[in-house]
This record gives sequence, structure tokens and C-alpha cells, in this order.
Amino acid sequence: NAGVTQTPKFQVLKTGQSMTLQCAQDMNHEYMSWYRQDPGMGLRLIHYSVGAGITDQGEVPNGYNVSRSTTEDFPLRLLSAAPSQTSVYFCASSSIRGSFSGANVLTFGAGSRLTVL
Amino acid sequence: AQTVTQSQPEMSVQEAETVTLSCTYDTSENNYYLFWYKQPPSRQMILVIRQEAYKQQNATENRFSVNFQKAAKSFSLKISDSQLGDTAMYFCAFSGRNLNTGTASKLTFGTGTRLQVTL
Repeated sequence: NAGVTQTPKFQVLKTGQSMTLQCAQDMNHEYMSWYRQDPGMGLRLIHYSVGAGITDQGEVPNGYNVSRSTTEDFPLRLLSAAPSQTSVYFCASSSIRGSFSGANVLTFGAGSRLTVL
Repeated sequence: AQTVTQSQPEMSVQEAETVTLSCTYDTSENNYYLFWYKQPPSRQMILVIRQEAYKQQNATENRFSVNFQKAAKSFSLKISDSQLGDTAMYFCAFSGRNLNTGTASKLTFGTGTRLQVTL
């Protein structure tokens, strides 16, 4: 199994450009999420989804859009990149079915480092 | 809203020694999960250990164990017989319990503790 696959691993953008970070998982997980990691701030939740067609905002959603048209894919879109969006982005997924003890364990992608100039 | 606090930005331990990383959290919920994740220089986030709040027994995974003090809202990680491969950033995280809405999987992370294992 590939787990959670993120692309690209590295990207440099100019202010105002748009781009999409791709995330795909092959574990049939209902829950998918995007986090950003900044020095001294840990990981902060941007957006999440509990199934196809359902998305919701996390702690820091401004400047980002998401959609969930399939169970497998959860792309993160930056419509007009800003230097404040320079960060490392992680996609993570988990199952929310089954016993409580089997849920909640997030599987993370390898991360995408984005630099906005 | 839940908060997670890791008050030790950096720690160092010698190989084969024991080190304890601190974590406190704030929540009004009674049932929840707590986690420790490890992030080595490869940047990959790896689950180290997890604790279910309704279980009084502290979780253990080989050389890793936790000291869960529910009343004090404390969740420290003890690493025994430290190895060079334990060098990493360690994040404490909290998740509430709500399987119906999926919010059980919304993790709130602390700011991390960078652990350096030395010879």
C-alpha cells in the first residue's frame, strides 16, 4: 500500500500565483485533512473532510480551498499565494469507522514544502 | 477549544539514558485521546504512542511509555535506553471523541520538543 501520497514535495511560487497540492490515499479512509507546519507553532489544521462531498474549516482556513469529490483525493488549493503561506504542508487521513480504539490514528503524507516569494 | 502545551522547546540526552518529555493540555471533555508523534529529519510524522483517556493504565510501546495524569491534564513521554535514532522533533497531540461527526480525528498539536540524542 502507498498510504498517503502528496505531490509535489517542493514548490516555489511567486506572490499571487495559484497552485494545488495533491493528496491521495489508498486506505479507504473517510477522514482526510490538511495541516501546515511552521517553526515554533506545531501543526495547525487548515481544512478537513469526513467523506466525499463534505468539507469543513479547521483552525487556519483563510487563503485555502478544498474539495472532496472522491474518497481517495483531497486537494488543497491556493488561489492567490502570499508569503505568509510559506510552510510545510501535510495531508493526513484516518478511518472513523469501527471500534473507538481503531480510529483516530492519522496516517501522514511525507509533506510538501512550499515557498512563496 | 482544546490547547496542548509543550514547555520544553529542546532537550538533550545521552545514548542509553532515559529522558522525559512534558505535555499538558486543557479540555472540558471527559473522553478523548492523547498521542505522541515523532518527526525525524526526514520530516515524516510517525505515531509513537497513544492513550485513551478512559483507560487508567499508562500506555507502553517497547522503550516508550507515558505518564498520564488525567486530573492534572498531564501526558508525559518517557524514552528509556535512548538511541541515536530517537533524535527527532516530538509532538504531543489531543483528539476529542466524536465518531459521528469525525471530529474524533481532529488533532490539536503542541509546538513540539526537539530531542537530540548524543554519544
